[in-house]
Amino acid sequence: AQSVTQLDSQVPVFEEAPVELRCNYSSSVSVYLFWYVQYPNQGLQLLLKYLSGSTLVKGINGFEAEFNKSQTSFHLRKPSVHISDTAEYFCAVSDLNAGGTSYGKLTFGQGTILTVHP
Amino acid sequence: NAGVTQTPKFQVLKTGQSMTLQCAQDMNHEYMSWYRQDPGMGLRLIHYSVGAGITDQGEVPNGYNVSRSTTEDFPLRLLSAAPSQTSVYFCASRTDSHSGNTIYFGEGSWLTVV
Repeated sequence: AQSVTQLDSQVPVFEEAPVELRCNYSSSVSVYLFWYVQYPNQGLQLLLKYLSGSTLVKGINGFEAEFNKSQTSFHLRKPSVHISDTAEYFCAVSDLNAGGTSYGKLTFGQGTILTVHP
Repeated sequence: NAGVTQTPKFQVLKTGQSMTLQCAQDMNHEYMSWYRQDPGMGLRLIHYSVGAGITDQGEVPNGYNVSRSTTEDFPLRLLSAAPSQTSVYFCASRTDSHSGNTIYFGEGSWLTVV
């Protein structure tokens, strides 16, 4: 079984400030890691994903995340946020079943609400 | 390119009523799944399917049925709605791949059971 913990339920920041949204996971097997964003009353949009290779992953809208295997973390960062980044962010993992494929079953964290103030 | 389409977007049910949430994808994806989203709990997997005719339970399957008669469609049925099933439901799909391809989500269905 795997689990995902997002360490902050709410993160308020001022516009143009840097932000870090923290995510830790536990799994007994190799995983894929994802960050999704959800704007109010909308579906989920993929920000970025880590499958393999470089541990620093760049995504859309200026976001990036770093995979740290020893700390089982996948924190999301942005150096300068905008008002439009106000949304809920979800970290998720998908394990690799036997043979290295993934059935697309995601385990989500509880979500972090990012509020950017002017 | 419609992607993953869910209907209805909003629904109010009375306790004990039945209904079906529809999900269709036009990307020829093998894998489809249903999640529910509740405040402070993220998204939890209800049921999933790895291909037509094959379904399995996820983390929270009780009270829900699914079937997969075609590759395109994956309906979620509530046989006797309960207030605890008030939630936002998301359908998702992805292709068969060894590279962890992106999982595509529908826009969500907001269900209220009174």
